[in-house]
Amino acid sequence: QVNLVESGGGVVQPGRSGRLSCTPSGFTSGFSFSNHGMHWVRQAPGKGLEWVAVISYDGSKTYYAESVKGRFTISRDNSKNTLFLQMNNLRVEDTAVYYCAKDFHTYKGGIDYWGQGTLVTVSS
Amino acid sequence: DIQMTQSPSPLSASVGDRVTITCQASQDISNSLNWYQQTPGKAPKLLIFDASNLESGVPSRFSGSGSGTDFTLTISNLQPEDIATYYCHQYANLPPAFGPGTRVDFK
Repeated sequence: QVNLVESGGGVVQPGRSGRLSCTPSGFTSGFSFSNHGMHWVRQAPGKGLEWVAVISYDGSKTYYAESVKGRFTISRDNSKNTLFLQMNNLRVEDTAVYYCAKDFHTYKGGIDYWGQGTLVTVSS
Repeated sequence: DIQMTQSPSPLSASVGDRVTITCQASQDISNSLNWYQQTPGKAPKLLIFDASNLESGVPSRFSGSGSGTDFTLTISNLQPEDIATYYCHQYANLPPAFGPGTRVDFK
């Protein structure tokens, strides 16, 4: 079982920035953070799931959805078992619950475990 | 980019029914497809990985099949706790993509 905990959500004004964090918490049997790719996926209120970004196990490779490319940056600190999402130039349409999620493998293996999500509201 | 479609939505059924949800990819993704269940206010939960493999702890009434572009999720004996939205997800190519979801509710 893997327990992922996101933090950093809240209300942000359009055009401003925010940073989300995600870390494994509690008992995580057999899970080595530094061996797995990690994703961010978001869900706008009442809408479906939208994949946002992925980072490889060692941070050497990243990939973004077109909707956030150039504005969001995914990164990780394996020494602190922490995943980040830096969000710049936020727009109203970025309002969503943001989930961090673990990849089966090192980068492109699909998602197995999800965090509980953190709500980002972009509003003036 | 690969596009994912799902049908039907919504899907209305009764307790004990056999329910089938279909998912179609816009190009061949082999068996690189997962199925997730999401109940309101909760994170998605993995049900099926690699198109047909049941995740540990998931009831055996759930099953998945398909390869290439056409996939199905079947719930063989619908239970009240199965009322949820179900998403397929391809990871064959970047960017990964989710289907729009199929909401399952009771008649």
